[in-house]
Amino acid sequence: AQKVTQAQTEISVVEKEDVTLDCVYETRDTTYYLFWYKQPPSGELVFLIRRNSFDEQNEISGRYSWNFQKSTSSFNFTITASQVVDSAVYFCALSEATGSQGNLIFGKGTKLSVKP
Amino acid sequence: GAGVSQSPSNKVTEKGKDVELRCDPISGHTALYWYRQSLGQGLEFLIYFQGNSAPDKSGLPSDRFSAERTGGSVSTLTIQRTQQEDSAVYLCASSLRSRPGTDTQYFGPGTRLTVL
Repeated sequence: AQKVTQAQTEISVVEKEDVTLDCVYETRDTTYYLFWYKQPPSGELVFLIRRNSFDEQNEISGRYSWNFQKSTSSFNFTITASQVVDSAVYFCALSEATGSQGNLIFGKGTKLSVKP
Repeated sequence: GAGVSQSPSNKVTEKGKDVELRCDPISGHTALYWYRQSLGQGLEFLIYFQGNSAPDKSGLPSDRFSAERTGGSVSTLTIQRTQQEDSAVYLCASSLRSRPGTDTQYFGPGTRLTVL
Protein backbone atom coordinates (compact mmCIF):
# COMPACT_ATOMS: atom_id res chain seq x y z
CA ALA A 1 0.00 0.00 0.00
CA GLN A 2 1.10 3.55 -0.59
CA LYS A 3 1.95 5.63 2.40
CA VAL A 4 3.90 8.75 3.28
CA THR A 5 5.18 9.29 6.79
CA GLN A 6 6.36 12.59 8.18
CA ALA A 7 7.33 11.68 11.69
CA GLN A 8 8.02 15.25 12.83
CA THR A 9 4.73 16.91 13.67
CA GLU A 10 6.21 20.24 14.72
CA ILE A 11 9.67 21.75 14.62
CA SER A 12 10.73 25.06 16.09
CA VAL A 13 14.02 26.71 15.24
CA VAL A 14 15.63 30.07 15.61
CA GLU A 15 16.31 32.11 12.51
CA LYS A 16 19.51 31.19 10.63
CA GLU A 17 19.49 27.64 11.91
CA ASP A 18 19.47 24.80 9.40
CA VAL A 19 16.53 22.42 9.61
CA THR A 20 15.76 19.08 7.96
CA LEU A 21 12.24 17.78 7.43
CA ASP A 22 12.01 14.03 7.13
CA CYS A 23 9.83 12.08 4.72
CA VAL A 24 9.61 8.30 4.35
CA TYR A 25 7.41 6.70 1.73
CA GLU A 26 6.06 3.27 0.87
CA THR A 27 5.08 2.09 -2.59
CA ARG A 28 5.14 -1.12 -4.61
CA ASP A 29 5.38 0.76 -7.86
CA THR A 30 8.73 1.04 -9.59
CA THR A 31 7.78 4.32 -11.21
CA TYR A 32 6.62 7.03 -8.88
CA TYR A 33 6.98 10.71 -8.14
CA LEU A 34 7.72 12.51 -4.92
CA PHE A 35 6.75 16.06 -4.10
CA TRP A 36 7.14 18.70 -1.44
CA TYR A 37 4.54 21.39 -0.93
CA LYS A 38 4.55 24.36 1.42
CA GLN A 39 1.38 25.60 3.09
CA PRO A 40 1.90 29.03 4.65
CA PRO A 41 -0.62 30.49 7.09
CA SER A 42 -2.58 31.86 4.13
CA GLY A 43 -3.54 28.27 3.36
CA GLU A 44 -2.62 27.79 -0.28
CA LEU A 45 -0.45 24.78 -1.10
CA VAL A 46 2.64 25.93 -2.93
CA PHE A 47 4.60 23.48 -5.05
CA LEU A 48 8.30 23.25 -4.20
CA ILE A 49 9.78 20.26 -6.00
CA ARG A 50 9.02 17.07 -7.89
CA ARG A 51 11.36 14.09 -8.29
CA ASN A 52 10.84 10.89 -10.20
CA SER A 53 11.92 7.49 -8.94
CA PHE A 54 14.69 7.15 -11.51
CA ASP A 55 16.49 10.31 -10.56
CA GLU A 56 18.29 10.09 -7.24
CA GLN A 57 20.38 13.17 -7.74
CA ASN A 58 20.11 15.60 -4.90
CA GLU A 59 18.84 19.00 -5.76
CA ILE A 60 19.60 22.44 -4.44
CA SER A 61 17.55 25.55 -5.01
CA GLY A 62 18.81 28.53 -3.12
CA ARG A 63 18.47 27.76 0.57
CA TYR A 64 16.47 24.62 -0.13
CA SER A 65 17.93 21.20 -0.80
CA TRP A 66 16.44 17.73 -1.16
CA ASN A 67 18.03 14.36 -0.48
CA PHE A 68 16.35 11.43 -2.24
CA GLN A 69 17.53 7.96 -1.18
CA LYS A 70 15.70 4.96 -2.64
CA SER A 71 17.63 2.58 -0.39
CA THR A 72 15.91 4.04 2.66
CA SER A 73 12.74 5.21 0.86
CA SER A 74 13.35 8.71 2.05
CA PHE A 75 13.02 12.15 0.50
CA ASN A 76 14.24 14.66 3.04
CA PHE A 77 14.10 18.42 2.75
CA THR A 78 16.66 20.78 4.25
CA ILE A 79 16.33 24.50 4.68
CA THR A 80 19.65 26.23 5.22
CA ALA A 81 19.84 29.46 7.21
CA SER A 82 16.12 29.42 7.94
CA GLN A 83 14.09 32.62 7.88
CA VAL A 84 10.86 33.66 9.53
CA VAL A 85 9.13 33.51 6.13
CA ASP A 86 9.88 29.78 6.04
CA SER A 87 7.32 29.27 8.80
CA ALA A 88 4.65 27.02 7.32
CA VAL A 89 3.37 23.48 7.20
CA TYR A 90 5.37 21.36 4.79
CA PHE A 91 3.85 18.34 3.11
CA CYS A 92 5.62 15.47 1.41
CA ALA A 93 3.55 13.60 -1.16
CA LEU A 94 3.76 10.53 -3.39
CA SER A 95 2.14 9.81 -6.74
CA GLU A 96 2.35 6.49 -8.53
CA ALA A 97 2.55 6.46 -12.31
CA THR A 98 0.78 3.17 -12.93
CA GLY A 99 -2.54 1.79 -11.78
CA SER A 100 -3.58 5.01 -10.11
CA GLN A 101 -5.44 8.14 -10.92
CA GLY A 102 -2.34 10.19 -10.32
CA ASN A 103 -3.68 11.48 -7.06
CA LEU A 104 -1.23 12.65 -4.44
CA ILE A 105 -0.85 10.72 -1.23
CA PHE A 106 0.17 13.17 1.42
CA GLY A 107 1.97 12.83 4.68
CA LYS A 108 0.44 14.47 7.73
CA GLY A 109 2.73 17.47 7.36
CA THR A 110 5.41 19.06 9.51
CA LYS A 111 4.71 22.45 11.02
CA LEU A 112 7.87 24.54 10.98
CA SER A 113 8.09 27.62 13.17
CA VAL A 114 11.07 29.88 12.64
CA LYS A 115 11.50 32.40 15.42
CA PRO A 116 13.45 35.65 15.03
CA GLY B 1 -0.88 33.26 -16.18
CA ALA B 2 -3.72 32.83 -13.72
CA GLY B 3 -3.56 30.01 -11.24
CA VAL B 4 -6.30 27.71 -10.04
CA SER B 5 -9.21 29.64 -8.62
CA GLN B 6 -11.91 28.45 -6.28
CA SER B 7 -15.14 29.94 -5.07
CA PRO B 8 -16.44 30.74 -2.62
CA SER B 9 -13.42 31.16 -0.37
CA ASN B 10 -15.57 30.60 2.67
CA LYS B 11 -18.96 28.97 3.03
CA VAL B 12 -21.00 28.66 6.20
CA THR B 13 -24.10 26.55 5.95
CA GLU B 14 -26.62 24.86 8.15
CA LYS B 15 -26.75 21.14 8.59
CA GLY B 16 -28.95 19.55 5.96
CA LYS B 17 -28.46 22.20 3.30
CA ASP B 18 -26.80 21.56 -0.08
CA VAL B 19 -23.64 23.38 -1.11
CA GLU B 20 -21.77 23.82 -4.39
CA LEU B 21 -18.06 24.46 -4.55
CA ARG B 22 -16.48 25.66 -7.75
CA CYS B 23 -13.02 25.18 -9.21
CA ASP B 24 -11.57 26.92 -12.24
CA PRO B 25 -8.33 25.18 -13.28
CA ILE B 26 -5.31 26.65 -15.01
CA SER B 27 -6.13 27.20 -18.66
CA GLY B 28 -5.07 24.24 -20.77
CA HIS B 29 -4.78 21.81 -17.89
CA THR B 30 -6.60 18.61 -18.73
CA ALA B 31 -6.48 16.93 -15.32
CA LEU B 32 -8.36 18.22 -12.31
CA TYR B 33 -8.35 16.90 -8.74
CA TRP B 34 -10.41 17.52 -5.62
CA TYR B 35 -8.97 17.01 -2.15
CA ARG B 36 -10.25 17.65 1.33
CA GLN B 37 -8.17 18.89 4.22
CA SER B 38 -9.43 18.42 7.75
CA LEU B 39 -7.75 18.32 11.13
CA GLY B 40 -8.50 14.70 11.76
CA GLN B 41 -7.89 13.26 8.29
CA GLY B 42 -5.15 15.43 6.86
CA LEU B 43 -5.21 15.83 3.09
CA GLU B 44 -7.36 13.21 1.41
CA PHE B 45 -8.08 12.66 -2.27
CA LEU B 46 -11.69 12.82 -3.37
CA ILE B 47 -11.96 12.58 -7.16
CA TYR B 48 -10.05 13.04 -10.39
CA PHE B 49 -11.22 14.29 -13.78
CA GLN B 50 -9.52 13.67 -17.08
CA GLY B 51 -11.30 16.05 -19.39
CA ASN B 52 -14.94 15.83 -18.37
CA SER B 53 -14.74 12.25 -17.24
CA ALA B 54 -14.23 10.93 -13.72
CA PRO B 55 -13.12 7.30 -14.10
CA ASP B 56 -13.36 6.43 -10.42
CA LYS B 57 -15.63 8.00 -7.84
CA SER B 58 -14.74 5.68 -5.00
CA GLY B 59 -12.78 8.37 -3.17
CA LEU B 60 -15.89 10.41 -2.50
CA PRO B 61 -16.76 10.01 1.20
CA SER B 62 -20.44 9.25 0.71
CA ASP B 63 -23.21 9.31 -1.88
CA ARG B 64 -24.05 12.83 -0.70
CA PHE B 65 -20.97 13.97 -2.59
CA SER B 66 -20.95 14.41 -6.35
CA ALA B 67 -18.79 16.24 -8.83
CA GLU B 68 -18.90 17.22 -12.43
CA ARG B 69 -16.74 18.98 -14.93
CA THR B 70 -18.00 20.69 -18.04
CA GLY B 71 -16.20 21.82 -21.17
CA GLY B 72 -12.99 20.33 -19.87
CA SER B 73 -12.66 23.33 -17.60
CA VAL B 74 -14.72 24.35 -14.58
CA SER B 75 -15.61 21.72 -12.03
CA THR B 76 -18.28 21.74 -9.35
CA LEU B 77 -18.25 19.66 -6.19
CA THR B 78 -21.71 19.33 -4.68
CA ILE B 79 -22.45 18.16 -1.17
CA GLN B 80 -26.08 17.35 -0.46
CA ARG B 81 -27.66 17.35 2.99
CA THR B 82 -24.46 18.60 4.60
CA GLN B 83 -23.34 17.16 7.91
CA GLN B 84 -21.02 18.66 10.51
CA GLU B 85 -18.31 16.14 9.60
CA ASP B 86 -18.23 17.70 6.11
CA SER B 87 -16.61 20.80 7.61
CA ALA B 88 -13.17 21.07 6.04
CA VAL B 89 -11.14 22.95 3.47
CA TYR B 90 -11.85 21.66 -0.02
CA LEU B 91 -8.89 22.02 -2.34
CA CYS B 92 -8.82 21.79 -6.09
CA ALA B 93 -5.70 21.14 -8.15
CA SER B 94 -4.98 20.89 -11.85
CA SER B 95 -2.15 19.47 -13.92
CA LEU B 96 -1.18 19.82 -17.52
CA ARG B 97 -1.20 16.47 -19.21
CA SER B 98 -3.45 13.48 -19.49
CA ARG B 99 -1.10 10.96 -17.92
CA PRO B 100 -1.81 11.06 -14.23
CA GLY B 101 1.06 11.02 -11.81
CA THR B 102 3.60 12.40 -14.23
CA ASP B 103 2.81 16.04 -13.88
CA THR B 104 2.85 18.56 -11.11
CA GLN B 105 -0.46 19.47 -9.53
CA TYR B 106 -1.03 23.13 -8.80
CA PHE B 107 -3.48 23.96 -6.07
CA GLY B 108 -6.10 26.61 -5.62
CA PRO B 109 -6.62 28.57 -2.42
CA GLY B 110 -9.39 26.27 -1.24
CA THR B 111 -12.93 26.69 0.02
CA ARG B 112 -13.37 26.58 3.77
CA LEU B 113 -16.70 24.91 4.48
CA THR B 114 -18.28 25.20 7.91
CA VAL B 115 -21.43 23.25 8.64
CA LEU B 116 -23.29 24.48 11.71
